[in-house]
Amino acid sequence: DAGVIQSPRHEVTEMGQEVTLRCKPISGHDYLFWYRQTMMRGLELLIYFNNNVPIDDSGMPEDRFSAKMPNASFSTLKIQPSEPRDSAVYFCASNPSSGANVLTFGAGSRLTVL
Amino acid sequence: QQQVKQSPQSLIVQKGGISIINCAYENTAFDYFPWYQQFPGKGPALLIAIRPDVSEKKEGRFTISFNKSAKQFSLHIMDSQPGDSATYFCAATFTNAGKSTFGDGTTLTVKP
Repeated sequence: DAGVIQSPRHEVTEMGQEVTLRCKPISGHDYLFWYRQTMMRGLELLIYFNNNVPIDDSGMPEDRFSAKMPNASFSTLKIQPSEPRDSAVYFCASNPSSGANVLTFGAGSRLTVL
Repeated sequence: QQQVKQSPQSLIVQKGGISIINCAYENTAFDYFPWYQQFPGKGPALLIAIRPDVSEKKEGRFTISFNKSAKQFSLHIMDSQPGDSATYFCAATFTNAGKSTFGDGTTLTVKP
């Protein structure tokens, strides 16, 4: 398995633009998580899905952020409009519902909003 | 409140020394405690994990010590090597899946 695949790896955009980050979880994993990592706030859970259904989105900063999981193999995190304070590394992670509750993270998408 | 407190924020150790990172949690319902290791430009990856019915777990040079009554657990890296230089996160979660709560991370630098 190729692991959790995220794209793009790097994104530089201007304030006000729409940003879409993409994630392909490991096949067979029922849970998908979106995290944001910054120096100031560490790893923050934004939202997670179970069987494509959003379970907890309490970490989503504000209405500018939205996430979808249209099927078991794809999820998006969208920021519209983007702001400089959104600059961070965004990680997608997945894990199966059986076995140990251990997250497999993707390599991350580094977002810079100018 | 679900919270995991991790210390120190950064740690510098000489090659061959012992690195110790501590974590404390509040929610006694947590029943699985993994540690993740993150290298620059990469996502965190599982290093070692422990359940609260065990006081210690060792895998190679890495050992988790767990104190259930104190709600604390720690990671010990024996014979630390420059290749161990990374950021380490402790986490607390539930065996039957669900979200993990992470500590703030510890940046370890092992000097040659």
